[in-house]
Amino acid sequence: GAVVSQHPSWVICKSGTSVKIECRSLDFQATTMFWYRQFPKQSLMLMATSNEGSKATYEQGVEKDKFLINHASLTLSTLTVTSAHPEDSSFYICSATKRGGQETQYFGPGTRLLVL
Amino acid sequence: DAKTTQPTSMDCAEGRAANLPCNHSTISGNEYVYWYRQIHSQGPQYIIHGLKNNETNEMASLIITEDRKSSTLILPHATLRDTAVYYCIAAGNNRKLIWGLGTSLAVNP
Repeated sequence: GAVVSQHPSWVICKSGTSVKIECRSLDFQATTMFWYRQFPKQSLMLMATSNEGSKATYEQGVEKDKFLINHASLTLSTLTVTSAHPEDSSFYICSATKRGGQETQYFGPGTRLLVL
Repeated sequence: DAKTTQPTSMDCAEGRAANLPCNHSTISGNEYVYWYRQIHSQGPQYIIHGLKNNETNEMASLIITEDRKSSTLILPHATLRDTAVYYCIAAGNNRKLIWGLGTSLAVNP
């Protein structure tokens, strides 16, 4: 199998607060984890790529100080949205590739963030 | 990564085969064709991928033309639960997936 989980599945927070989203590969070790964002009626946009034990690589236009990524182990990556604002409200999705396997990405169920 | 082109939407009757086309005329030799689907408000689900040979798994079949410029995803017996947005992506070894708007497939009873 290749199961990826995310927690929480949805979160509502006040403007200016920080929110942490966890992404876990449940039945495999993940070489690489990816973080995406999806706005309503739009496609997925890659935010960053993270490898265990190293700094994440951010896509152009994504602020690394605002979207903190920590990839502490081969099964866990976290995304922290710092000082969240209403425009950060979105659907955040992570994916992971298997260590030693092909580069197929397996996706989590997503986290819906609403910033008031 | 090569750009892909898919129809915006398609309809299919329940129990019939759904054939979803994808054009990727600029695909390079080391790029795979991946298919994912996204059911409303969920994360994408991996379906199948291939390089040049046709592939089949428990979910679908992937038919890639000999020149690799296009492919077709076949869901042999569509059910209502197959209603989703289907994405065709050409991706190389850099592993980045570039997502278009996909094909919105509606399976009708």
